[in-house]
Amino acid sequence: GESVGLHLPTLSVQEGDNSIINCAYSNSASDYFIWYKQESGKGPQFIIDIRSNMDKRQGQRVTVLLNKTVKHLSLQIAATQPGDSAVYFCAEKAGDSSYKLIFGSGTRLLVRP
Amino acid sequence: EPEVTQTPSHQVTQMGQEVILRCVPISNHLYFYWYRQILGQKVEFLVSFYNNEISEKSEIFDDQFSVERPDGSNFTLKIRSTKLEDSAMYFCASSGISGRAVLNEQFFGPGTRLTVL
Repeated sequence: GESVGLHLPTLSVQEGDNSIINCAYSNSASDYFIWYKQESGKGPQFIIDIRSNMDKRQGQRVTVLLNKTVKHLSLQIAATQPGDSAVYFCAEKAGDSSYKLIFGSGTRLLVRP
Repeated sequence: EPEVTQTPSHQVTQMGQEVILRCVPISNHLYFYWYRQILGQKVEFLVSFYNNEISEKSEIFDDQFSVERPDGSNFTLKIRSTKLEDSAMYFCASSGISGRAVLNEQFFGPGTRLTVL
């Protein structure tokens, strides 16, 4: 069945270091992927997205990598800051016939000062 | 910057009661969604809505749930007879249209925390 999962529930990094959050997905028909950040008590906030015809996309301090061969998605955050502490979710859109997002279980990022 | 808003922020209800959760999507968006997140779990899709009808719904969205766009700005989720297991954060989201294509990016509201006692 369809599923999106995350390898690590919690990631602790030193302020200023780079963070890498990983995500595995199982639906090879998924055509769009998105990373959301969720702070405590708030809704998911868009970070960056990528279409399935790309393998890398960069934003401000963030990069998403897509490896369709192994169905793996990663979010890289450069120079991690205390404000980056949150839960990060990957989500996939299961092809042209559907607009629903299927979310992974989330990784909590803790930034140590 | 335009944003999705939701009211109330917290709703407490007794089991068996009806609740209506309200959302105001971003004004020029035409595709709307409800998701829920049980405490400590992942966000789950409930339903999508376009052109005044349900486009897609999940297994969770059974007969006790309904959605409505009662006017040009609000989008509501009604739970007819709440159960204990309906306790969760409920998120509304919306996405825009470009030409005839629905844009993939979904903008989420802050959520309504529903507590069923």
